[in-house]
Amino acid sequence: QSALTQPASVSGSPGQSITISCTGHSSDVNGYNFVSWYQQHPGKAPKLMIHDVSDRPSGVSNRFSGSKSGNTASLTISGLQAEDEADYYCSSYTSSSTYVFGAGTKVTVL
Amino acid sequence: EVQLVESGGGLVQPGRSLRLSCAASGFTFDDYAMHWVRQAPGKGLEWVSGISWSSGSIGYADSVKGRFTISRDNAKNSLYLQMNSLRAEDTALYYCAKAVGETSFGTRLDYWGQGTLVTVSS
Repeated sequence: QSALTQPASVSGSPGQSITISCTGHSSDVNGYNFVSWYQQHPGKAPKLMIHDVSDRPSGVSNRFSGSKSGNTASLTISGLQAEDEADYYCSSYTSSSTYVFGAGTKVTVL
Repeated sequence: EVQLVESGGGLVQPGRSLRLSCAASGFTFDDYAMHWVRQAPGKGLEWVSGISWSSGSIGYADSVKGRFTISRDNAKNSLYLQMNSLRAEDTALYYCAKAVGETSFGTRLDYWGQGTLVTVSS
């Protein structure tokens, strides 16, 4: 159950686009299209932003998009806004019927 | 409105036990898998355990296997986590989360509670 690999931090100016990567293994990211992304503001519970690699739950802004290539998934935030400043975690369902998370990426809006 | 309310956290000595509960409302509880996810202070999310709607499938992270037991009572719309032989490294905010998706454990966590804090210290 090795954690997925994410960059510790990513930053961008308002209006710009940023991309967060999430690298996994054949037993998780590369093996399933069940990658999810969660947003967590300080002191708050995580919120599902993307599921099944690229699907957005109802109510999530279309500025958030997801993709996957091989064992690396990505979350892109376009038109960066101050409210997007938060921690972002990727997650994948695994071949062991468990879930695995990345260590998280802190997004800073400059 | 989906609501998940955790309880049962607190300060406990190493080696002792604690039982967490999660009261669910706003959805048909026995239609969905449920999970526990924890977050140590200042750290990231760690999946702890999951249980299918029928309790027929159960899974644990290696870090808690043999010490923690997940269960649910569909008649009471409640999820539980029995934590035994607690260690300092189990100190964390424990979240209850509802799952949805194609597998018996779901494939993503679409609703989360606010968490209950467990502190393991002498």
